[in-house]
Amino acid sequence: QKEVEQNSGPLSVPEGAIASLNCTYSDRGSQSFFWYRQYSGKSPELIMSIYSNGDKEDGRFTAQLNKASQYVSLLFRDSQPSDSATYLCAVWGNAGKSTFGDGTTLTVKP
Amino acid sequence: DTEVTQTPKHLVMGMTNKKSLKCEQHMGHRAMYWYKQKAKKPPELMFVYSYEKLSINESVPSRFSPECPNSSLLNLHLHALQPEDSALYLCASSQDSLNQPQHFGDGTRLSIL
Repeated sequence: QKEVEQNSGPLSVPEGAIASLNCTYSDRGSQSFFWYRQYSGKSPELIMSIYSNGDKEDGRFTAQLNKASQYVSLLFRDSQPSDSATYLCAVWGNAGKSTFGDGTTLTVKP
Repeated sequence: DTEVTQTPKHLVMGMTNKKSLKCEQHMGHRAMYWYKQKAKKPPELMFVYSYEKLSINESVPSRFSPECPNSSLLNLHLHALQPEDSALYLCASSQDSLNQPQHFGDGTRLSIL
């Protein structure tokens, strides 16, 4: 079992729709959770960080964390073509480092 | 524009060359990282420096040698690399503890001939 797993892509949604990205992790002691966006040929860019159970909203983005289920998700409303990218889930755990999932590639079609 | 600056942006080197990658941040961050990223794969952690001391080495081959001269600078010295070392090398920094979000530089795209 991978330490951090993301829903397999690629994922395609129409412009204006809600996009939902999911991530599960195996280390029950994990404390910090991050979502990064990476455009092709570019470096990862932090979108959201979440540390406690529940929802955290920032503009069009909402991160949800459920530590009991070892699950973190990222939703974004009103998807735009410019949101087309690979989204990486990163989990900071007891090993003292962040582990990245393999990423989910999202395409938003006009 | 990012607040973590990496140079050079591109590097082509032969297997017998010695070169260095440089990373600089002026955000006052005390943790700095080197990652290697191959195409369509997530970043793989190589090294972590916390307060200028090497805190994590992910069993990286000795042909990669990190150095942290001060809290703003991070170098990666390269020697006798192999073609499979061709990748995007990313530097990142975070505040003062390793569970803080990381800010990435634009990376150095390295090609080994």
